[in-house]
Amino acid sequence: EAGVAQSPRYKIIEKRQSVAFWCNPISGHATLYWYQQILGQGPKLLIQFQNNGVVDDSQLPKDRFSAERLKGVDSTLKIQPAKLEDSAVYLCASSSLGGNQETQYFGPGTRLLVL
Amino acid sequence: SQKIEQNSEALNIQEGKTATLTCNYTNYSPAYLQWYRQDPGRGPVFLLLIRENEKEKRKERLKVTFDTTLKQSLFHITASQPADSATYLCALRTDSWGKLQFGAGTQVVVTP
Repeated sequence: EAGVAQSPRYKIIEKRQSVAFWCNPISGHATLYWYQQILGQGPKLLIQFQNNGVVDDSQLPKDRFSAERLKGVDSTLKIQPAKLEDSAVYLCASSSLGGNQETQYFGPGTRLLVL
Repeated sequence: SQKIEQNSEALNIQEGKTATLTCNYTNYSPAYLQWYRQDPGRGPVFLLLIRENEKEKRKERLKVTFDTTLKQSLFHITASQPADSATYLCALRTDSWGKLQFGAGTQVVVTP
């Protein structure tokens, strides 16, 4: 079974530029998560989708971050404009059932550096 | 909001010994608690889940305990090996949709 795919793996941009990350979850997984992991910290949930609907985006900085999940499969996370403090690893995860399924499967992450 | 604390200092342990990691939490009664392993440059990998009505769970050389009175989980790696060197994260389910809140993780270094 293929795992969660993410691209790009690395991205370096200057502040005020925009950037987009892509995630392809495990086939058939209804729930998709985007996390931000700052160095030395645990992952922090930014947004959770079930199919193509948003379940939780309470910690998403909506003035600069946006996310969508097309047709309930792939997802993109965008930052516009980026700030220095957005430097982090952005992890995508998926799980097989809506909400009640426990195990989350993570992708390798996209490491973002904002200069 | 939920606060999750894990040992911030790295745990250095000799091969063959048992590593014990602590996860303490406040302000919530989670339905379950999970432990994940994270290697440098990789995403977390699920290891074990323990529910609020379970006291202990085992998987091969791993053991997890869950004390809802103390609001604490202990994670044990027995007969540790250098390949066990990684950061271990605990995570609590904080809502009915399965939202997880993670601790900062504890780095384990197993030396031969």
